Amino acid sequence: NAGVTQTPKFRILKIGQSMTLQCTQDMNHNYMYWYRQDPGMGLRLIYYSASEGTTDKGEVPNGYNVSRLNKREFSLRLESAAPSQTSVYFCASSYRGQGANEQFFGPGTRLTVL
Amino acid sequence: AQRVTQPEKLLSVFKGAPVELKCNYSYSGSPELFWYVQYSRQRLQLLLRHISRESIKGFTADLNKGETSFHLKKPFAQEEDSAMYYCALSKGSARQLTFGSGTQLTVLP
Repeated sequence: NAGVTQTPKFRILKIGQSMTLQCTQDMNHNYMYWYRQDPGMGLRLIYYSASEGTTDKGEVPNGYNVSRLNKREFSLRLESAAPSQTSVYFCASSYRGQGANEQFFGPGTRLTVL
Repeated sequence: AQRVTQPEKLLSVFKGAPVELKCNYSYSGSPELFWYVQYSRQRLQLLLRHISRESIKGFTADLNKGETSFHLKKPFAQEEDSAMYYCALSKGSARQLTFGSGTQLTVLP
């Protein structure tokens, strides 16, 4: 049981390049999320998905696209990277049920755009 | 709109001293609040949630709706408590989290 896994761990992009960040969870969770973490700003939600085939915008969606390929996988795509997208990206997932359910986080992807 | 405020970016205490990490929130509904912790070189993980009223690793947090606060407390800090702590509020149909900006706690020997 690997939990939430992300690839790649690190990446350096040039301005204008594109890339896809992959996220997989093996906990049979319905909800999946993408956050970015920036110094002094905490984590901010980019996009989320409540189920396979559905996605919704979070707080900072501009410049990103997502795809919920199946229940396990949720990818984040940068079509044209900008320096403002330099950040650490975290994927998370959670169970859909009663009560306050915790989110389980991946190890993060550190992205630098030069 | 919902907001989570952690007023202290950095907090240092000596080992054995009490520690309190402040968190205030604004939310029109009934809040679900959490504390997450990120130890050095580890992934973000749940520390505790208000609904459970639990004590984890000696930490407790009480939801005060009158003061809209959810401060994290521990009576005797340990060096292994040094980490980044995030207060978070859950809302929406998919229980999205709104995080505070975090407090870096350093426990000095």
